[in-house]
Amino acid sequence: EVQLQESGPGLVKPSQSLSLTCSVTGYSITSNYWGWIRKFPGNKMEWMGYISYSGSTSYNPSLKSRISITRDTSKNQFFLQLNSVTTEDTATYYCARGPGPRDWGQGVMVTVSS
Amino acid sequence: DVVLTQTPSILSATIGQSVSISCRSSQSLLDSDGNTYLYWFLQRPGQSPQRLIYLVSNLGSGVPNRFSGSGSGTDFTLKISGVEAEDLGVYYCMQATHAPLTFGSGTKLEIK
Repeated sequence: EVQLQESGPGLVKPSQSLSLTCSVTGYSITSNYWGWIRKFPGNKMEWMGYISYSGSTSYNPSLKSRISITRDTSKNQFFLQLNSVTTEDTATYYCARGPGPRDWGQGVMVTVSS
Repeated sequence: DVVLTQTPSILSATIGQSVSISCRSSQSLLDSDGNTYLYWFLQRPGQSPQRLIYLVSNLGSGVPNRFSGSGSGTDFTLKISGVEAEDLGVYYCMQATHAPLTFGSGTKLEIK
């Protein structure tokens, strides 16, 4: 059974960087695609980007140059870094497997506030 | 970006009633490889999203067969044949044919 678990701070100050970790068990991240998706207060969902089995990345252009997704294959983890956050980045962040994700983490709520 | 327009935004149903949710795309979701990368998800209160349908009409693992998906090109439908109490939550369509991947705005299903 594939399991994904997000971890990271629940509160980030404006202009700082948001950093989250997704720990994966039951499946190697050197296979498939691994992404980050966020849900804003209300119902809006946004795909942020993914890292592939080979390490290549694809990002949502709306996030411009603020986003970076990396991985550590030795720990079977992948990471999200979002720079220069504002209050509009307040959301629940999910990591997920696959472009049309079958498997999701439980989500981590991140608030951007001073 | 591809815009997915979901209707209705709120759906109120009684137990046993059959309901449908529409998802219309601003572009065809038929990929050059012959697949249509259209998915449906349900997010129950307090839970992560669950994939119900993949590639338009394929039932996800462990998903009850009262759920079904249909459509092609730009018009897609999720049908629930006999709503049950556990079906309440927010339903989303999502496309992965065109980058960036995009979601519909969601349909909240309420049980009367």
